[in-house]
Amino acid sequence: GAGVSQTPSNKVTEKGKYVELRCDPISGHTALYWYRQSLGQGPEFLIYFQGTGAADDSGLPNDRFFAVRPEGSVSTLKIQRTERGDSAVYLCASSQGTAGEAFFGQGTRLTVV
Amino acid sequence: GENVEQHPSTLSVQEGDSAVIKCTYSDSASNYFPWYKQELGKRPQLIIDIRSNVGEKKDQRIAVTLNKTAKHFSLHITETQPEDSAVYFCALSRGNTPLVFGKGTRLSVIA
Repeated sequence: GAGVSQTPSNKVTEKGKYVELRCDPISGHTALYWYRQSLGQGPEFLIYFQGTGAADDSGLPNDRFFAVRPEGSVSTLKIQRTERGDSAVYLCASSQGTAGEAFFGQGTRLTVV
Repeated sequence: GENVEQHPSTLSVQEGDSAVIKCTYSDSASNYFPWYKQELGKRPQLIIDIRSNVGEKKDQRIAVTLNKTAKHFSLHITETQPEDSAVYFCALSRGNTPLVFGKGTRLSVIA
């Protein structure tokens, strides 16, 4: 596609439920990143993939958060037993390798009620 | 992990004046320093970046300067226009690590 695509754009879920957020990176980009942005804050790093493997998952806040990228393209961020504090905009970005410009998707606004 | 401090958190300037935003860091291995602009409700977009082998880069009204010795880099916007109003984020990486972002500066350009 022309840019990084994220679905859904908005997600409202009840506390305790499971959610999946999808990211479709720019074709050919090997690096894919997930960030979380709370209101008035900068993007906070969660996890990054180089190809199919998670090269760095040090930003995942706890074991309720998990992400996969099975074929080295589309990635899914999975959140179990959601909590109200998980409410934020989840941003995905991709780049050609890790030294190139990172292009962001429009984000998924997650609201846990 | 790496930390980047960004100042000021808010900045108001009159249209036509210049705006300067500064970021400081601690990891001397950092070698890539991009700046992103984020308009309300939209995705962050790269506006300019610099690598550690140069000290300054310009693109029309926007420039970035890097002082590796002092470990700080700054964004300079000249002849500001109302459409420059947005939140600006500095970021950095070592080139093989994910970007780490500052907390952002909300720039308001007053017509």
